[in-house]
Amino acid sequence: KNEVEQSPQNLTAQEGEFITINCSYSVGISALHWLQQHPGGGIVSLFMLSSGKKKHGRLIATINIQEKHSSLHITASHPRDSAVYICAVVSGGGADGLTFGKGTHLIIQP
Amino acid sequence: DGGITQSPKYLFRKEGQNVTLSCEQNLNHDAMYWYRQDPGQGLRLIYYSQIVNDFQKGDIAEGYSVSREKKESFPLTVTSAQKNPTAFYLCASSITPNTGELFFGEGSRLTVL
Repeated sequence: KNEVEQSPQNLTAQEGEFITINCSYSVGISALHWLQQHPGGGIVSLFMLSSGKKKHGRLIATINIQEKHSSLHITASHPRDSAVYICAVVSGGGADGLTFGKGTHLIIQP
Repeated sequence: DGGITQSPKYLFRKEGQNVTLSCEQNLNHDAMYWYRQDPGQGLRLIYYSQIVNDFQKGDIAEGYSVSREKKESFPLTVTSAQKNPTAFYLCASSITPNTGELFFGEGSRLTVL
């Protein structure tokens, strides 16, 4: 089973700061998801990537397959970005091949 | 709008009772999943289904049961055999197992009194 580690576990920053959340995994993967869990509990998919870099608005996700590492960046952070960000890796063909990190709890203060 | 609907959002149960959590999707997805989330832990897979009338156990299936009689619906029953059922439960779907974007419901929080 893949081991997924996220860092930091908790992050508090001021509005406008550049945010980086990291995800490392132990076994080769076919894809990686970044998810956002808002305070109500629902989860939204932000990115799915298997190589390189993707950008959506102020969010950027990168992945380095050789180093088994991915980062999620938030530029010009805003209080509405406050949420738990979860990394999940796909390392098997079945639904049981998806392994989730414990999440990074981000708070952006105005 | 397409999406996943979970109900109820909050549920209280007495010990010894079975409860059923509803999950409905109108995304025409083949794959559906149930996850359990506990504080400080990653999501853990309870059951998943890749096609109608078929489902497989995940990592923590003991004390739970599911059915997949229709493509749109994947209800989860938390039985009295589940030793520690108080948790947050999330239903998800994707076009096929482990491919494509994941869609999640808003979750159901179960508390056993």
